[in-house]
Amino acid sequence: EAQVTQNPRYLITVTGKKLTVTCSQNMNHEYMSWYRQDPGLGLRQIYYSMNVEVTDKGDVPEGYKVSRKEKRNFPLILESPSPNQTSLYFCASRLQGAIYGYTFGSGTRLTVV
Amino acid sequence: EDQVTQSPEALRLQEGESSSLNCSYTVSGLRGLFWYRQDPGKGPEFLFTLYSAGEEKEKERLKATLTKKESFLHITAPKPEDSATYLCAVQAVGDKLIFGTGTRLQVFP
Repeated sequence: EAQVTQNPRYLITVTGKKLTVTCSQNMNHEYMSWYRQDPGLGLRQIYYSMNVEVTDKGDVPEGYKVSRKEKRNFPLILESPSPNQTSLYFCASRLQGAIYGYTFGSGTRLTVV
Repeated sequence: EDQVTQSPEALRLQEGESSSLNCSYTVSGLRGLFWYRQDPGKGPEFLFTLYSAGEEKEKERLKATLTKKESFLHITAPKPEDSATYLCAVQAVGDKLIFGTGTRLQVFP
């Protein structure tokens, strides 16, 4: 089944403890992206990648890192999480070409205490 | 500044009662406008891409249109299963995507 897989689905962590949220897609998509979704603020883009080893900042990149060493994987790294990073996170991928929309994963609900 | 505004925030319709959702945008160099549907607890699901003013796309009871400053999502004779949050997004430079905060649609029998 064609899909974007994120892990974990739920995560509770403490302030300052480094964590990684994994994202993998099996559709051979060139583009991948991370979003966070907060009540009243909607979906906001954190980082996106248009190809292997090519990443760029979205609207809210502060406090996050990404890497794209392989086409299928795009992990999101929080080096020192803080409570204001408590949110619902989505990874997504799509084919190159503006006609194509993103396929989203099921989300990761992160709580930082 | 690139911006997307959706209205109304919430909409309640009776089954069969057609209506429209609005998405107004300001973006430097529009490369595409997207509509997504999001069900509670799930990731958004892609519906349509529109590129240029005057373009229209249809899917079942949904029809999306685009002008130079806004897009409309028309829902014809909606059913309860159309209840969801509908999100609009515009693509700016690179693959930067700016989302609106959505319209929460509830269709009751």
